[in-house]
Amino acid sequence: SQQGEEDPQALSIQEGENATMNCSYKTSINNLQWYRQNSGRGLVHLILIRSNEREKHSGRLRVTLDTSKKSSSLLITASRAADTASYFCATDFYTTSGTYKYIFGTGTRLKVLA
Amino acid sequence: NAGVTQTPKFQVLKTGQSMTLQCAQDMNHNSMYWYRQDPGMGLRLIYYSASEGTTDKGEVPNGYNVSRLNKREFSLRLESAAPSQTSVYFCASSAPDHTGTRHYEQYFGPGTRLTVT
Repeated sequence: SQQGEEDPQALSIQEGENATMNCSYKTSINNLQWYRQNSGRGLVHLILIRSNEREKHSGRLRVTLDTSKKSSSLLITASRAADTASYFCATDFYTTSGTYKYIFGTGTRLKVLA
Repeated sequence: NAGVTQTPKFQVLKTGQSMTLQCAQDMNHNSMYWYRQDPGMGLRLIYYSASEGTTDKGEVPNGYNVSRLNKREFSLRLESAAPSQTSVYFCASSAPDHTGTRHYEQYFGPGTRLTVT
């Protein structure tokens, strides 16, 4: 399977603390994306980092990418109860059909306690 | 804009029955995708379509067929449902980002929860 791995599988923190989750993948990538999934809902795109970038910020999110180790991390600073969700990384591959397909990690379930 | 819509939201089938999951997007996206999500497995790609009239297999296509009816609609068919197909099914679509570079984010529908008994 090409599927990536994320760790930890589950994370429980207090409101205001930082949350870090990691993603490892298996093959060379074009880009890596992070998505959030609230319980019972579809995934929502958070941030994209290109294979030639090492770090990217968006609001309270910080993403790093280490292509030599085939890994990425997502840091959520000053977490809030509303950040409670599952977080997935996804790597994309250009196909001969002329589009990208995506391989998702297994996800990290984050619970932020008020 | 409604984004990506899926019907039905819930479905219960008996083993051997058939059904079609419907997906539509109103964002004029070229690419559309079907995934299944099982506990602890993340999302796995079933089929995808780069454009109207083209479809390709993903990671787990066995037991499924798809139709890209037009640019808006991409349906997933289970011809003979099996308990192993109990899952949550998500449709997604994508297009180039606002800079015009070829870096795509995906937009997801709300999902169809399917149980096969």
